[in-house]
Amino acid sequence: KQEVTQIPAALSVPEGENLVLNCSFTDSAIYNLQWFRQDPGKGLTSLLLIQSSQREQTSGRLNASLDKSSGRSTLYIAASQPGDSATYLCAVKSGANNLFFGTGTRLTVIP
Amino acid sequence: DVKVTQSSRYLVKRTGEKVFLECVQDMDHENMFWYRQDPGLGLRLIYFSYDVKMKEKGDIPEGYSVSREKKERFSLILESASTNQTSMYLCASSFRTGYGYTFGSGTRLTVV
Repeated sequence: KQEVTQIPAALSVPEGENLVLNCSFTDSAIYNLQWFRQDPGKGLTSLLLIQSSQREQTSGRLNASLDKSSGRSTLYIAASQPGDSATYLCAVKSGANNLFFGTGTRLTVIP
Repeated sequence: DVKVTQSSRYLVKRTGEKVFLECVQDMDHENMFWYRQDPGLGLRLIYFSYDVKMKEKGDIPEGYSVSREKKERFSLILESASTNQTSMYLCASSFRTGYGYTFGSGTRLTVV
């Protein structure tokens, strides 16, 4: 069964810093990998979707990379802002039936 | 943008009540999913559906059922609510297998 791990579990950075969130998965046979953001008590907001044939995706200050062979993805956030504070979840589509989630990284950006 | 709308943000129900959680998506997605999210356990799949009137069990279907009579609507039913079903419930949809997921804003259900 696919296992998804996110490191670190929590991260606190000063405003303006660039940061990297890590995601690793055990089975490289994936359809895609998706990064989500979740604010407290809210649903999940999709940030970036990387198909298995792609290496990276960018949206604004966010860049996500995918190395399928090593089972790793990173989410790079440039020039962090207090509004970026949230929990970030990595999810891997592996098999037709399910999306496998990591446990998340709770990010706090300090003004 | 695809919208997934969950009818209630917060619900409080009594033990033994029959509870309906409604989810509607507006972009003709084939696949719809119900998850629950609990601290320390992450997101767990309850049921999913690939087409109208079709349903498949996820990882934790016990105590739940679902209904998909129309393509845009996927309902989660708690036949007899229990306190251990107190949770955040999240609905999601995707165009087809291999496409990204869009989630609703969640329903916080409390069973007392």
